[in-house]
Amino acid sequence: GNSVTQMEGPVTLSEEAFLTINCTYTATGYPSLFWYVQYPGEGLQLLLKATKADDKGSNKGFEATYRKETTSFHLEKGSVQVSDSAVYFCALSVNTGGFKTIFGAGTRLFVKA
Amino acid sequence: DTGVSQDPRHKITKRGQNVTFRCDPISEHNRLYWYRQTLGQGPEFLTYFQNEAQLEKSRLLSNRFSAERPKGSFSTLEIQRTEQGDSAMYLCASTLGGGSRGQETQYFGPGTRLLVL
Repeated sequence: GNSVTQMEGPVTLSEEAFLTINCTYTATGYPSLFWYVQYPGEGLQLLLKATKADDKGSNKGFEATYRKETTSFHLEKGSVQVSDSAVYFCALSVNTGGFKTIFGAGTRLFVKA
Repeated sequence: DTGVSQDPRHKITKRGQNVTFRCDPISEHNRLYWYRQTLGQGPEFLTYFQNEAQLEKSRLLSNRFSAERPKGSFSTLEIQRTEQGDSAMYLCASTLGGGSRGQETQYFGPGTRLLVL
């Protein structure tokens, strides 16, 4: 079946630290991959996406590369800020006749000043 | 603000009552999705519309749940005879679909938080 597994949180980092949030997936077909973010008190919003193997999605200093060989889409940022504190969701979308999106459980990130 | 609105934002009801939620997607978006999110989990897919046609329903959607999108614009999700296990955040998302691989970005509303007492 289709599923997404991401590292459990919470992740606590100091400002300017390097961030990695691991995400792996299983999919029956060729998925598109996404990272969504939920800031405190706000709705889910797209952070970045990649639609084919070896594509790199990037936004706001965050990056993730679609690795088909390892079925992974790890999120990275070189220097986090307090304002990056949020819950991050890895997700995939695959054509199953429709296009439902499968989300991971989310990883909460706390960044300390 | 993504442009997707949901109403109400919060709903408290007693077990056994019926509730209805509304979602207004971005106006030109042809695909609309409903998800349910419980605490500490990611959103779980419930159902999906392309225009007014309901094309897919999750096994999570028991026969107490029904969704409509009568004119291909707004959508409603009704839960009949609510149970305490229905307590969750109900999210709506819309997208302008057309690709063959689901690569379109989904725009999420703020959600309706349901508490069943």
